[in-house]
Amino acid sequence: QAVLTQPSSLSASPGASASLTCTLRSGINVGTYRINWYQQKPGSPPQYLLRYRSDSDKQQGSGVPSRFSGSKDVSANAGILLISGLQSEDEADYYCMIWHSSGWVFGGGTKLTVL
Amino acid sequence: QVQLVESGGGVVQPGRSLRLSCAASGFTFSSYAMHWVRQAPGKGLEWVAVISYDGSNKYYADSVKGRFTISRDSSKNTVYLQMNSLRGEETAVYYCARGGPTVTDAFDIWGQGTKVTVSS
Repeated sequence: QAVLTQPSSLSASPGASASLTCTLRSGINVGTYRINWYQQKPGSPPQYLLRYRSDSDKQQGSGVPSRFSGSKDVSANAGILLISGLQSEDEADYYCMIWHSSGWVFGGGTKLTVL
Repeated sequence: QVQLVESGGGVVQPGRSLRLSCAASGFTFSSYAMHWVRQAPGKGLEWVAVISYDGSNKYYADSVKGRFTISRDSSKNTVYLQMNSLRGEETAVYYCARGGPTVTDAFDIWGQGTKVTVSS
């Protein structure tokens, strides 16, 4: 089982909100991890969005709009990237990432379609 | 402005070696950990290696341990990735990324990447 699991795709309408999940493997407690999120558009390198561990330990990437935010669902052992007020330019691949067992691990990515 | 520029990619035969370089500018290179991340065609991101700000600590993905070596030269503001015994499945775009003061800080700045094709 992968360390981080993301749904492969998600669709949402302009102006709506999208909740992208990043589920940690059973036995790895989401509460102790900083979850980092990246956005990647076709043909471009990833861009850092934010990291979230708790409301007192979070960081927004430079220039990243506040409509991108992080949270956790402890009951689901998952990190969440919430994008509110969806815009067409938000259509992209989104990756979560954690530091685990002396290495960085990426989720498989979620392709977000805005239509 | 803060910039990372990768170079050294190309076509290489399976089992051969290649060295990638990443030139940094616009920030105090010696204060940051540096990473290599790769992305196979149509696939997701895979972290490859990290080197601490002073070069004293290095970590590698299991998939490249023993074959790849990360290094840095602060006099040249450059980080390197020496890749030996390359495999076909390592065909990818290789990105250099800036970490933070420690190896456990996420990467905030990425280069445009350099393409590596492993094929006979």
